[in-house]
Formats: sequence, C-alpha cells, structure tokens
Amino acid sequence: EIVLTQSPDFQSVTPKEKVTITCRASQSIGSSLHWFQQKPDQSPKLLIKYASQSISGVPSRFSGSGSGTDFTLTINSLEAEDAAAYYCHQSRSFPLTFGGGTRVEIK
Amino acid sequence: QVQLVESGGGVVQPGRSLRLSCAASGLSFSSSGMHWVRQRQAPGKGLEWVAFISFDGRGENYADSVKGRFTISRDNSKNTLYLQMNSLRPEDTAVYYCTKQDKDSWGQGTLVIVSS
Repeated sequence: EIVLTQSPDFQSVTPKEKVTITCRASQSIGSSLHWFQQKPDQSPKLLIKYASQSISGVPSRFSGSGSGTDFTLTINSLEAEDAAAYYCHQSRSFPLTFGGGTRVEIK
Repeated sequence: QVQLVESGGGVVQPGRSLRLSCAASGLSFSSSGMHWVRQRQAPGKGLEWVAFISFDGRGENYADSVKGRFTISRDNSKNTLYLQMNSLRPEDTAVYYCTKQDKDSWGQGTLVIVSS
C-alpha cells in the first residue's frame, strides 16, 4: 500500500498569505496525485488532478506541483472561503489511498 | 450537470448487513468506473477509499479493511451503484460517498452507524 504523508496537519493563516501543503508518497507514483478540498459539512471537491492540472471552475490561486514522491499544493493569496481541509490522493495503484489531511484555518 | 445521490444509510447492529445505493444522472454512467469513499465521523477524520468497480462491472478492487465483507456492484440499466456491506463492525461507522472514476463529482454522502 502506498502511504501518503501530508504536512502540516494544521495551519492558521492570515488572508492574502501564501499557503503551501506538502504530500510525500512512500514510493514513486509518477504524477498520479490529486488534491481535494473539503469544507465543513460538504463533500470533497477536486482541486488539482495529476499533480498540476487545473480543474475548470477552481480559482487560479490554487496550483499543484511535483512528481515521483514529493508534491505540493499552493494557495496564493489565501481568501476567507479557503478555510477547509485539504487532502492528497494517489490513483497510481490499488488500494487507492489518501493523505491524512491538512486543516487550514483563517486567522 | 452530474448528480450522484446516495441512500440506504442508517443505524445497524454489529454483524448485520446494509446495502447502499448511489443513483447517477447527468453522465454516461455505463462508461464510467465508480468508487465508494468513506469518512469516519470523529472530528478531523480523513477520507478512506473503500472500493472501485469498472465501467462494465467486470473489475473490482477493495480496501483491505473491507475485503471479504463488502461487495461493490452496479446496474447500468438503472444508472445505479451499490455497496453491499456485510458483517458490519463499529469501525465501519462513517459517511459513505460515491464518486466517479475521476472523482470530479461526489454525492452528498449517506451516514452509516454501526452500534448495538
């Protein structure tokens, strides 16, 4: 099983700040890494697919990078509506796995 | 637009069974693999992939935690995905989501509580 380790677990950020969340895979997964946002009492929402591909309708302040074992989700100029949990997810091989999540709080 | 609506959740005793359904609309259901993903309800609990079924139902994959107890299936004539859950355990308590193969659309989830 491929283990995804996210960091940090929690981040408290001021609006307009830049947020960086990392995800490390226990073995190489190429670019088969995706990022989700989940707000309280809502279903997860796909933000970035295949490490860096943007999703229609997702604000351009969200971007992803990385390949192999190390990946990054960046939120440029954080907005209040970005308060949420963020998860990475690998689709390289079964069983599919998710990272433990990063909760972003707005100061 | 794509709509996925889960149903069938509820309170069930340990060891009993439950079947979840996911009704799909707005997509070519018979062309899309489908997943079940769950989220336990303790604060801060993350997402856990449960099972996947191929577009034609011929291929299935399961998380080790549910293998041998849960069965994913689909009826393409009814645009419906299922999850048969047997021998339920308290640790299966969670919100269960269905999602398309690419995970760009999710249902609202259905809550399963396993408790005596």
